[in-house]
Amino acid sequence: DTAVSQTPKYLVTQMGNDKSIKCEQNLGHDTMYWYKQDSKKFLKIMFSYNNKELIINETVPNRFSPKSPDKAHLNLHINSLELGDSAVYFCASSQGDGETQYFGPGTRLLVL
Amino acid sequence: AQSVTQLGSHVSVSEGALVLLRCNYSSSVPPYLFWYVQYPNQGLQLLLKYTSAATLVKGINGFEAEFKKSETSFHLTKPSAHMSDAAEYFCAVSDRGGNYQLIWGAGTKLIIKP
Repeated sequence: DTAVSQTPKYLVTQMGNDKSIKCEQNLGHDTMYWYKQDSKKFLKIMFSYNNKELIINETVPNRFSPKSPDKAHLNLHINSLELGDSAVYFCASSQGDGETQYFGPGTRLLVL
Repeated sequence: AQSVTQLGSHVSVSEGALVLLRCNYSSSVPPYLFWYVQYPNQGLQLLLKYTSAATLVKGINGFEAEFKKSETSFHLTKPSAHMSDAAEYFCAVSDRGGNYQLIWGAGTKLIIKP
């Protein structure tokens, strides 16, 4: 039974398109995150939601918009995709501040 | 501001040899410290976590790490490397200051030579 799941696993699209990535966790956690991992494996926090409220909103282009319909879901919508958006996007969840973060399998986004 | 430094973007050891991956942190308060492992094409998985209890923390797959406050270090070790240990390893720190954020190191790729 997958704890943190993401769909799709792979996403290949053209520049300028709009795409969404979905994330669901069944751990009962209050906090969810989106990370971007570049080709050098560097992890960058993008957003964090706690009880559906935005906690962290790092310097991310406005083209990225998270949406949390409930505590178990945190989706990421990306408008007007650019070549530089190509990366692996990870969703994660935790019980609270400083607690272990549990990661999804990642979504590999390739923008052509 | 908190920071995490992982010394060595790549570490290569022979199968059966000692594994030592270095992590130094800076934090103004007693931190929580984490080691995560990422196998190829997978998400990150927790190896072990320090939460101010025992300074020597045992994790999964035979790994352990020791918290040394005087050296602000949390190095990861394993006595005998196995081919299956080849992966990317990340150290992270949290000050539990209410920002729900982990500060991540840049990662160390562990290469195991047969």
